[in-house]
Amino acid sequence: KAGVTQTPRYLIKTRGQQVTLSCSPISGHRSVSWYQQTPGQGLQFLFEYFSETQRNKGNFPGRFSGRQFSNSRSEMNVSTLELGDSALYLCASSPPGPIYEQYFGPGTRLTVT
Amino acid sequence: AQSVAQPEDQVNVAEGNPLTVKCTYSVSGNPYLFWYVQYPNRGLQFLLKYITGDNLVKGSYGFEAEFNKSQTSFHLKKPSALVSDSALYFCAVRDPGGNAGNMLTFGGGTRLMVKP
Repeated sequence: KAGVTQTPRYLIKTRGQQVTLSCSPISGHRSVSWYQQTPGQGLQFLFEYFSETQRNKGNFPGRFSGRQFSNSRSEMNVSTLELGDSALYLCASSPPGPIYEQYFGPGTRLTVT
Repeated sequence: AQSVAQPEDQVNVAEGNPLTVKCTYSVSGNPYLFWYVQYPNRGLQFLLKYITGDNLVKGSYGFEAEFNKSQTSFHLKKPSALVSDSALYFCAVRDPGGNAGNMLTFGGGTRLMVKP
């Protein structure tokens, strides 16, 4: 089975711009979660989508948003980029079931200049 | 709210020696606990999990972890370290409550350095 894929892998944007990141989960996985990883704050949960509905949201400003499509693919959007948004954005998917581990993609490295 | 602490930023061990990476947690109810490893420029790879049952959990690549409810700890161990085990290790907890979904709370990470 193919793993979680994320595109693009690297991205450079300018302050004030917006960006959209994409995640394709493992086939059959309906839950997709997004995390932000920075040296200062570590790994922080952004949001989770399940069957096209946001199931949970972390403590991030409204500039961070996401969605999930009927094929379980997910996108996250960051509007009005700030320098502090520079991070590795990780997507993870989980199979159906109550207590399954998450499988992570390689991440998208976003640099805001 | 749940939290995870990894008290050591870095652990150094010689190849062939046993290794321990420490993790303590705080969560209401029975915890679901996970260990992940991250290699440079890669995402996180799942190592093992504790949900219920035997306190000693065995995982990938020879790693195991011991759940200790009284000490609220979930330390990662390996009997004999390899240089290739050098990486960043994360402990994570999932809220057992029904509304938490799959949200994981991570510790700050511990860098493991295994020297030949």
